[in-house]
Amino acid sequence: KNEVEQSPQNLTAQEGEFITINCSYSVGISALHWLQQHPGGGIVSLFMLSSGKKKHGRLIATINIQEKHSSLHITASHPRDSAVYICAVRLYSGGGADGLTFGKGTHLIIQP
Amino acid sequence: EPEVTQTPSHQVTQMGQEVILRCVPISNHLYFYWYRQILGQKVEFLVSFYNNEISEKSEIFDDQFSVERPDGSNFTLKIRSTKLEDSAMYFCASRDPRQGSYEQYFGPGTRLTVT
Repeated sequence: KNEVEQSPQNLTAQEGEFITINCSYSVGISALHWLQQHPGGGIVSLFMLSSGKKKHGRLIATINIQEKHSSLHITASHPRDSAVYICAVRLYSGGGADGLTFGKGTHLIIQP
Repeated sequence: EPEVTQTPSHQVTQMGQEVILRCVPISNHLYFYWYRQILGQKVEFLVSFYNNEISEKSEIFDDQFSVERPDGSNFTLKIRSTKLEDSAMYFCASRDPRQGSYEQYFGPGTRLTVT
């Protein structure tokens, strides 16, 4: 059974700080998603990774397939980055298995 | 930019009633999904749907649940006889496999409250 573990569960930081959120998983995957969930509940896809590194604005996501680990970094953090960040994985499967397995999320608060 | 839409945004129903949650996926997408998130818990996969049939379902998706694509645009989740524990946020998502990507696009969710 695949487990997706995120750390930390909660993170409070000051505006401008460099933020790192970690995700580890226990079985082979074909893709890993980083998602953002705001207090209203909606989910926004930030990145989808199967290898290497992706960058979008102040956000950077990396994945190490051998170590079964991914990180999400936020540079020059801002109060509007406050949200829950969720890691979700697509299990590796030769068939149609496609549903994502989610971590519990990291609740990030950026204080001005 | 195209987006997944869901209606209603909030549904209140009494235990034992049937509810239908509606989703309009992005128009050229071919894979469709339902997920749920009980308050304070992680998001959980319910079911995926492709080519007018269920391609995968989780243990949560029992006989009380069904999905349907009644026309070319809507994708629905029906709960036949709601229970208190069905209270949750339900998210629809869709994917276009022709992009060569596994990226899923999520709707804003429907908050279901069973009283």
